[in-house]
Amino acid sequence: SQQGEEDPQALSIQEGENATMNCSYKTSINNLQWYRQNSGRGLVHLILIRSNEREKHSGRLRVTLDTSKKSSSLLITASRAADTASYFCATDVGADSWGKLQFGAGTQVVVTP
Amino acid sequence: DAGVIQSPRHEVTEMGQEVTLRCKPISGHNSLFWYRQTMMRGLELLIYFNNNVPIDDSGMPEDRFSAKMPNASFSTLKIQPSEPRDSAVYFCASSPRATNEKLFFGSGTQLSVL
Repeated sequence: SQQGEEDPQALSIQEGENATMNCSYKTSINNLQWYRQNSGRGLVHLILIRSNEREKHSGRLRVTLDTSKKSSSLLITASRAADTASYFCATDVGADSWGKLQFGAGTQVVVTP
Repeated sequence: DAGVIQSPRHEVTEMGQEVTLRCKPISGHNSLFWYRQTMMRGLELLIYFNNNVPIDDSGMPEDRFSAKMPNASFSTLKIQPSEPRDSAVYFCASSPRATNEKLFFGSGTQLSVL
């Protein structure tokens, strides 16, 4: 089974609106990462948050992490058509997991002009 | 830097044929990962290397799959014989250090086995 599960599976918004997606995971982690995948392309790293951090910002991206609830959220503010993509969370699942980033099923985001 | 380079971009083959996918990681990166992406199973880690040495191949689905990394700038993933259920997008990714941080992905190889 997958370590990370994104919610919602799909999200449709208009340009200028904010997009929020969530990720839940099952076991303790060292860090959690978010990636973006445009159609037909590889994944691109967006942001990493460590288990001892609660919030992180990068440009229009804001990520939160709640280790007590084993969940994270990704907020994209003032969305643009170019933000249309699938977004995946990935977790590093602990001491014996070196190299084993596990990805969720992704949230498909469509931003309409 | 050109990023992680995968070839071919698309591969269509018939069941039973041998398929070889190729990957050139980013220069200076010493960790390399092979992932497979399907609608049903999402992204699955197949195998990863550190300093050209396979560290964990527990994700390789069966003996028909093999991966090599003969040097720091080249890796192959081979499927022999191929089956229709192997149809997927195969991604190679590299990382600059032996950590779980920030993978750089190639554009993938879309494999169709008929």
